[in-house]
Amino acid sequence: EIVLTQSPGTLSLSPGERATLSCRASQSISSRYLAWFQQKPGQGPRLLIYGASSRATGIPDRFSGSGSGTDFTLTISRLEPEDFAVYYCQQYGDSPGTFGQGTKVEIK
Amino acid sequence: EVQLVQSGAEVKKPGESLKISCKGSGYSFASFWIGWVRQMPGKGLEWMGIIYPGDSDTKYSPSLQGQVTISADKSISTAYLKWSSLKASDTAMYYCARHSVAGALDYWGQGTLVTVSS
Repeated sequence: EIVLTQSPGTLSLSPGERATLSCRASQSISSRYLAWFQQKPGQGPRLLIYGASSRATGIPDRFSGSGSGTDFTLTISRLEPEDFAVYYCQQYGDSPGTFGQGTKVEIK
Repeated sequence: EVQLVQSGAEVKKPGESLKISCKGSGYSFASFWIGWVRQMPGKGLEWMGIIYPGDSDTKYSPSLQGQVTISADKSISTAYLKWSSLKASDTAMYYCARHSVAGALDYWGQGTLVTVSS
């Protein structure tokens, strides 16, 4: 089973700042099969990025993904008030399709 | 419009059985894998398993194999998650989600809250 480790656990930032979230895999995964999700309190997850760097339908371009091998990054270029949430990475190239433990982006 | 609509919240006692559902619409249900994801209270997302409704090919998380059964009825565009004997530790929100052509979970149901308590 591939283990995904996200860091940091919590990111305290102000609106307008840049957020950089990390996801590290226990073994190399194809970048085709790495996704990022956003989850707000009381809501289900929303797909942001798939294939490591492709934005899902309707996702603003302030969200970008990058990385390959074992190291992947989600960047939010300028935080908007609605971006404060929990973010999860997931690999779906290998079964089971594991999730990271999440990074909470909170208002500083 | 692609939609996944899940059955309503359930309150059960330990040892009882339960089957929750996820009905797809707006796309060819039989042609896309459907996944189930668990979220225990205050915790992260956990991949449970997936099913291809076209032929009912199913894959389970090793940690949950034998604890739940995933099935689908393509004639009514519905996937299911079933427990034969619930435990208090099954208390969680359960989401179904569709795997896109590219493989990511692109559309999600609204979630079904399952509470198991004596």
